[in-house]
Amino acid sequence: KNEVEQSPQNLTAQEGEFITINCSYSVGISALHWLQQHPGGGIVSLFMLSSGKKKHGRLIATINIQEKHSSLHITASHPRDSAVYICAVKTQGGSEKLVFGKGTKLTVNP
Amino acid sequence: ETGVTQSPTHLIKTRGQQVTLRCSSQSGHNTVSWYQQALGQGPQFIFQYYREEENGRGNFPPRFSGLQFPNYSSELNVNALELDDSALYLCASSRVQGYGYTFGSGTRLTVV
Repeated sequence: KNEVEQSPQNLTAQEGEFITINCSYSVGISALHWLQQHPGGGIVSLFMLSSGKKKHGRLIATINIQEKHSSLHITASHPRDSAVYICAVKTQGGSEKLVFGKGTKLTVNP
Repeated sequence: ETGVTQSPTHLIKTRGQQVTLRCSSQSGHNTVSWYQQALGQGPQFIFQYYREEENGRGNFPPRFSGLQFPNYSSELNVNALELDDSALYLCASSRVQGYGYTFGSGTRLTVV
């Protein structure tokens, strides 16, 4: 079982829909990252969370440390939101590595 | 403040050859990590460098090695390439360990 699990693996939505992507992890973490990866491969950091909730434009990220769960929400989705969204956690102690989920491929149709 | 730049963007090598991938981090970013992302998978941690010293390593064999230079650039070297080394290689840098990361666009390596 992977240390970081994302669901769903694939998600297709119509423009304007509210999107939720979930991330569960099984290890102690000091921070959780939500990342966006476009087909070219480059990764953009969207949020870094250690507690609570963050909002940036139409994107909202929440984390529940007790339940080891985080969600990324996209309001009023748009075709340009189509990308792979990846959850990654920085584990406690040891090296500073990130452990990644496999990603959720989002396609927003016009 | 410039972003993280990786070169080359694409590369084709033959099995058994050696390859060097390069990453130019943002000024002041003294921590750099390298990741391997196979098709359809999430990135896997290779190793991290902090102030030019290796500071953690993932489950990769010794033929994967790295260097970090005082000018915030770094290299990933892979010897004796195998077909399974075909992947997207990403570097990520940060100003302070554990702080937000800036990712490069990656180098797509194909081993034939």
